[in-house]
Amino acid sequence: NAGVTQTPKFQVLKTGQSMTLQCAQDMNHNSMYWYRQDPGMGLRLIYYSASEGTTDKGEVPNGYNVSRLNKREFSLRLESAAPSQTSVYFCASTFGAGVGLNEQFFGPGTRLTVL
Amino acid sequence: QKEVEQNSGPLSVPEGAIASLNCTYSDRGSQSFFWYRQYSGKSPELIMFIYSNGDKEDGRFTAQLNKASQYVSLLIRDSQPSDSATYLCAVIMDTGRRALTFGSGTRLQVQP
Repeated sequence: NAGVTQTPKFQVLKTGQSMTLQCAQDMNHNSMYWYRQDPGMGLRLIYYSASEGTTDKGEVPNGYNVSRLNKREFSLRLESAAPSQTSVYFCASTFGAGVGLNEQFFGPGTRLTVL
Repeated sequence: QKEVEQNSGPLSVPEGAIASLNCTYSDRGSQSFFWYRQYSGKSPELIMFIYSNGDKEDGRFTAQLNKASQYVSLLIRDSQPSDSATYLCAVIMDTGRRALTFGSGTRLQVQP
C-alpha cells in the first residue's frame, strides 16, 4: 500500500513553461485535493475533486488546471509558470463521505521552483 | 481576520514537559477539526481528529474542543525531542467541500 504518491519530487521551470504534477492514491478514496504551501502561510487549497468526474476551485485556483483522470489519479497543470508559483505542492485524498471519514492523507510533495 | 489562527512560535518546552498548542477558528458552523504534524521538508502527518466538544486522548496526545469558544487545542504529554516539528491545525468549514482550511502552524521545540 503506497498511500498517496506524487511525481516529480523536484522540478525547476523557466517562466512561461508548462508542466503537469501527477498524483495517485491506492486507498480507494473518493475525494482528492491539491494544496500549495508557502513559507509562513500554511497550506492553501488550489483545486479539489469530491468524486470521480467532478472538480472545483479552491482558495487559490488562478494559473492552474486539474484533471481527475479516474478514481485513483488527480493531476495539476501549470499552463504558463510564473515565479509566484514557486512553492511546495501537496496532493491529498480522503473517503470524503460522512462524519468520521474526512481524514486527509498527504503525498510527499513536489518542490517547484520557477525562475 | 484569518479563518484559522495559530501562534507561530516557536514554543520551547523541556523534555518531559507538557506542550500545549492552541488554535482558534472563525466559522461557528465548523464540524471537524484536525491536528497534523509536519517535520521540516516532509508532508503533513495526521495526529488527531476531533468532532465533539470535550477531550479526546490517544497515547501522549490529547485534543480538546470547545465549539462555544471556537477553540481547539493539542496537549502533548511527556514531550520528546522527536516531537519537535510544526503542528498544523486544520478545520473543515464547508462540509459540502470537505476541504481543510489550515492555520499557519506552531513550531514546537523540545529541549533535551
